[in-house]
Amino acid sequence: LAKTTQPISMDSYEGQEVNITCSHNNIATNDYITWYQQFPSQGPRFIIQGYKTKVTNEVASLFIPADRKSSTLSLPRVSLSDTAVYYCLVGDILGGSTLGRLYFGRGTQLTVWP
Amino acid sequence: EPEVTQTPSHQVTQMGQEVILRCVPISNHLYFYWYRQILGQKVEFLVSFYNNEISEKSEIFDDQFSVERPDGSNFTLKIRSTKLEDSAMYFCASSPASGTGKFHEQYFGPGTRLTVT
Repeated sequence: LAKTTQPISMDSYEGQEVNITCSHNNIATNDYITWYQQFPSQGPRFIIQGYKTKVTNEVASLFIPADRKSSTLSLPRVSLSDTAVYYCLVGDILGGSTLGRLYFGRGTQLTVWP
Repeated sequence: EPEVTQTPSHQVTQMGQEVILRCVPISNHLYFYWYRQILGQKVEFLVSFYNNEISEKSEIFDDQFSVERPDGSNFTLKIRSTKLEDSAMYFCASSPASGTGKFHEQYFGPGTRLTVT
């Protein structure tokens, strides 16, 4: 299972774009990159998933360079309500040996200030 | 938008008692999971469930734990004899069918806070 490394915390101000980078040097060919968000006392919430290049949805964008050894979650124009923990997960989404078992690290605590 | 629901939101029990935590996954999902999060710590996988049987379980999921899908909608986690260290937030999750490769797109419920005294 590919180990991921992401910053423990980040601060931003309302209206700014936030980029959270995750390193996953040992990513395997079948691995996808998935990001989750978690507010205090709530369950994690799926944000976005990708394999390579760029993926965008209504919430965020995910940038993955050609070597796939890192990925960047981009949140456009954050608001106070984006204050949360963001987790980067890497694994074989087609099942592999883990069949969907998610491994959550400590994540990145994003704090948005007014 | 369909959601995973969990009941109760908070359960207080005494050490040694049995508890059952209940979940209603999203209706067309086929894969179900339980995770837990001790206060201030990581979210930890407990068990995955597919086709009415356990697919995988972690080392935390010992003989005191069991899961069941008693009917077409509910998914339960039972702890037979609770310990103080079982105090945590328990999250149920479900994911769509595997054919779309969406194992890692899981939808979590709001959690049940279990307090063992």
